[in-house]
Amino acid sequence: IVMTQTPVSLSVTPGQPASISCKSSQSLLNSNGKTHVYWFLQKPGQPPRLMIYELSSRFSGVPDRFIGSGSGTDFTLEIRRVEAEDVGVYYCMQNIQVPLTFGGGTYVDVK
Amino acid sequence: QLVESGGGLVQPGGSLRLSCEASGFTFSNFWMSWVRQAPGRGPEWVANINQDGTEIYYVDSVKGRFTISRDNTKNSLFLHMNSLRAEDTAVYYCSDFDLWGQGTRVTVSS
Repeated sequence: IVMTQTPVSLSVTPGQPASISCKSSQSLLNSNGKTHVYWFLQKPGQPPRLMIYELSSRFSGVPDRFIGSGSGTDFTLEIRRVEAEDVGVYYCMQNIQVPLTFGGGTYVDVK
Repeated sequence: QLVESGGGLVQPGGSLRLSCEASGFTFSNFWMSWVRQAPGRGPEWVANINQDGTEIYYVDSVKGRFTISRDNTKNSLFLHMNSLRAEDTAVYYCSDFDLWGQGTRVTVSS
């Protein structure tokens, strides 16, 4: 399954919203009713950090300004009011089918 | 937490054994993965293993060369890497995707 992220990079003013798109080449909706798309944030020199799992569930400690949405093959990560700490590269990932695959990443710069 | 070890510099065709020690959670309850990240690139899933080691999957590029295993009695995950190539150079992370280690660096070069 190919995961295609857009844009490649995004520059956002603090307090403004940001939106990242991820499209999968096959549906990520499982027969269990769950959509197997994850979102991670990676900062330089650090491992990826889970932000959103199963389409829209925020992982522990993730601020509620992060919102995952979408369906089937089209997904969006929205940051409602960007803060300086949100800078880094965001990746989507599917884990409905092996090989598990990541999107190419979106670099978010907070200016 | 997850703590990886075993990385280093190895010549093409060589072997390495990576280890990942888990603590603070019930390791035996979770699927575990190895994920690698080459310099300047995004993450790439390498392999995963189910809770009791009876289901194992690999990315095509490592099939026949890498072997993932686990020892639930020692809360440990392993990756045996043989016939290493330059393109295997990366930081290798163990993860259940909720939790990630800091990674161990593997460099394949003569």
